Amino acid sequence: DILMTQSPATLSVSPGERATLSCRASQSVSTSLAWYQQKPGQPPRLLIYDSSTRATGVPDRFSGSGSGTEFSLTISGLQSEDFAVYYCQQHYNWPTFGQGTKVEVK
Amino acid sequence: EVQLVESGGGLVQPGQSLRLSCTISGFTFGDNAVSWVRQAPGKGLECVGFIRTKGTTEYAASVKGRFTISRDGSISTAYLQMNNLKIEDTAIYYCTRVRGSYPRYWFDPWGQGTLVTVSS
Repeated sequence: DILMTQSPATLSVSPGERATLSCRASQSVSTSLAWYQQKPGQPPRLLIYDSSTRATGVPDRFSGSGSGTEFSLTISGLQSEDFAVYYCQQHYNWPTFGQGTKVEVK
Repeated sequence: EVQLVESGGGLVQPGQSLRLSCTISGFTFGDNAVSWVRQAPGKGLECVGFIRTKGTTEYAASVKGRFTISRDGSISTAYLQMNNLKIEDTAIYYCTRVRGSYPRYWFDPWGQGTLVTVSS
């Protein structure tokens, strides 16, 4: 299985600032990468698929980029509802997830 | 609106069995595959397996031979039959609609999940 590694484990950001989360694959997954947001007590919510395509209803302050083995999720102008855990998932073959990045209030 | 509602979780002892249900609405099994994804307490996410539109199934190595996914289209319900449960199977089990084309699957949306606890 493809191993997904996210960094950092925790990101402290002030509201209104920009947050950049990283995800690395153990082998190339082309642009087959998705991002999810999970808040406490809730299921994950799809944000991005195909590396950079926003899911329906996702605000444009969320943007994804990358290809091959290196990917990033950028949240521009963090709002209070954006503080959560974010997971990446490769959808190149058998789905595997990163261990998550927690975005917390600085 | 697409919805998935899981049920059937609970506390079982190691070696016992449990069957989870997932009732779908807003789409059909002929439209999309359905997957089960689990999350151990305080941990990350693991795809357990899925059932494709044609009814074929695939499983993670960690559950192959113990877990079986099936469905009943007449009542829009998918199942996860879990046999010979182990302590490490303790997790919230989510049912999800699968998007994309095999094998390039992502998951949207997710049900609220049902908790399975395996403990003696």
